[in-house]
Amino acid sequence: DSGVTQTPKHLITATGQRVTLRCSPRSGDLSVYWYQQSLDQGLQFLIQYYNGEERAKGNILERFSAQQFPDLHSELNLSSLELGDSALYFCASSVGDDGRNTIYFGEGSWLTVV
Amino acid sequence: QKEVEQDPGPLSVPEGAIVSLNCTYSNSAFQYFMWYRQYSRKGPELLMYTYSSGNKEDGRFTAQVDKSSKYISLFIRDSQPSDSATYLCAMNAGGTSYGKLTFGQGTILTVHP
Repeated sequence: DSGVTQTPKHLITATGQRVTLRCSPRSGDLSVYWYQQSLDQGLQFLIQYYNGEERAKGNILERFSAQQFPDLHSELNLSSLELGDSALYFCASSVGDDGRNTIYFGEGSWLTVV
Repeated sequence: QKEVEQDPGPLSVPEGAIVSLNCTYSNSAFQYFMWYRQYSRKGPELLMYTYSSGNKEDGRFTAQVDKSSKYISLFIRDSQPSDSATYLCAMNAGGTSYGKLTFGQGTILTVHP
């Protein structure tokens, strides 16, 4: 158990809908990351927050947004869902905000869009 | 061309074999190198973390980084069936990349008894 908690574990929703994925980082970690894993694209970095502020952004779609709250948990919002958004979404966390810190991953939220 | 290239395999070896997994990369700014293990539909689990060039050993695992060749390796000695998983290399440039990791595609490893 990495200590990173993600909910829900599985989610099935229809095209055009909106979903929210939630992440609680490891105790003491200030950085939260979101990654998308699909069969054809592998693990892709979406976005990083550090202590409530956005730090780095990857190829995150405009339909997706995220935030980190004062208690350090984070939410990833996916809207106007398309079939191609079906993937495993991972949250990860680390103590600091740079590459010197080891990054631990949660178990993921499996999203299926039908 | 992807920034990080990793042979997807699959790789099948007998129990007890030495396994060699490799990644090449093109971004010379990468300076932090990691290997993660991922079981089916589970989260990636950090195995090894290396900064810059050199070797690092942890039990049956050895990680090597050669920045001059832009090549990293993971060796698994005395492989066990429980090592069967997907192995992902990951890299970070630090600086303004902050914690962003760039992953290889992953190599699927099967160790058969």
